[in-house]
Order: sequence, then structure tokens, then C-alpha cells
Amino acid sequence: GENVEQHPSTLSVQEGDSAVIKCTYSDSASNYFPWYKQELGKRPQLIIDIRSNVGEKKDQRIAVTLNKTAKHFSLHITETQPEDSAVYFCAASIIKAAGNKLTFGGGTRVLVKP
Amino acid sequence: DADVTQTPRNRITKTGKRIMLECSQTKGHDRMYWYRQDPGLGLRLIYYSFDVKDINKGEISDGYSVSRQAQAKFSLSLESAIPNQTALYFCATKSDDRGTEAFFGQGTRLTVV
Repeated sequence: GENVEQHPSTLSVQEGDSAVIKCTYSDSASNYFPWYKQELGKRPQLIIDIRSNVGEKKDQRIAVTLNKTAKHFSLHITETQPEDSAVYFCAASIIKAAGNKLTFGGGTRVLVKP
Repeated sequence: DADVTQTPRNRITKTGKRIMLECSQTKGHDRMYWYRQDPGLGLRLIYYSFDVKDINKGEISDGYSVSRQAQAKFSLSLESAIPNQTALYFCATKSDDRGTEAFFGQGTRLTVV
């Protein structure tokens, strides 16, 4: 089955700096890669996703890049703010008619220091 | 977001007891999932269901069972709870094959003593 590894497990950045989280996956058939943000005590929420037919996607201060050849994808947060402090999860799945099962990475705890 | 509701929110139980966690959703989604979250291990899939008559084992199904009583309800049972099942449990739903975002419940914090 699919295996997703996520690094680093913790990341501390100064407010205004950039944060980068990297994930690798094992199943070359995976074609959908979402990122979830989980604030302290709350449920995970989707923040951005990317499909395999796209190499990069941006939404304001966050962006995801995908390298299918190397089987890795990354989340980039620019101009970090204290409210970006949370645990971030990457995931991978295969979209098909029978539905898709997400496999999650281990999570990255991001702390933005004011 | 009350679209996906988990009960109870917190539970402490003793080793060997049977316990059921319930999940209900008003989003009309076919697909429902149970995950457990442990520090440093992220979200791991326990069971999932694509339809009322469909049950599938996930990554860590041993020691758990599920029941999909209706499209809107998906229950997770621990037949004989053990301490290493202490974790935060999340239910999630997804729409059909064209839908990709998973919607999570608020989570159930289970402690087995």
C-alpha cells in the first residue's frame, strides 16, 4: 500500500520567514495530494491540494509543488504569521471511480515565533 | 462545522470494556472513514466504508470493528479495550469520486486505563 513520509516533524520559524514541509510517497499511481492544517484542539481542515497533472499551485501565502518523477511534494508558507502555528499533514491518494483512500504523513508541528 | 458529529467527545474506559464511538453526518456523503491520531504518527486509517453495505479494513484494523447502519452513520467499536488504544479518534466523510476534500468530525479523545 501507499506510504507517506513527512519531514521535519517540528519546525520553528520567525514571524515573516518562510516555512517548507516536504513529503515523499511510495505509490507511483497516487495522483491527489492534499494538505491539512490542524490547530490546537481542533479537527484537521483542508488548506490546499494538488493533482498530478499540475506541478505547482498557489493560494495567497501558501503553495504546493509536486515532483512526480521523484515522488515528492512540498508545502511552502511565505510571510509566516502567528496564526500559521499548527500541525500540518500531507496526504496522498489515487482518485478513481471507487473512491479514494487518503494516506497521511506523520505531521509537522509548526511554531511561528513573534 | 456540525456537518460531521462524533459522540462522545471524551471518554475514559477500563481495560477489557467494550466501547462504541459514533459518527453521524448531514453532508449526504457516501464515503466515511475512521482514523486514529497518535503523537508523531499522524492520522492512521482504521476502517472505511463507501456505502451502507461496504466495509473495508484500513491500515490498523486489528482490535476494532465498525458498523455502517445507514448512509449517515458509521460506528467504531472496541470489543475489548486495551491501553494502547488510547488516542484521538476522528471520523471523516467524502463525497463521491468527483469529491476529494475530507470533512472531519471534532474528534473523540479516548483513554483506556
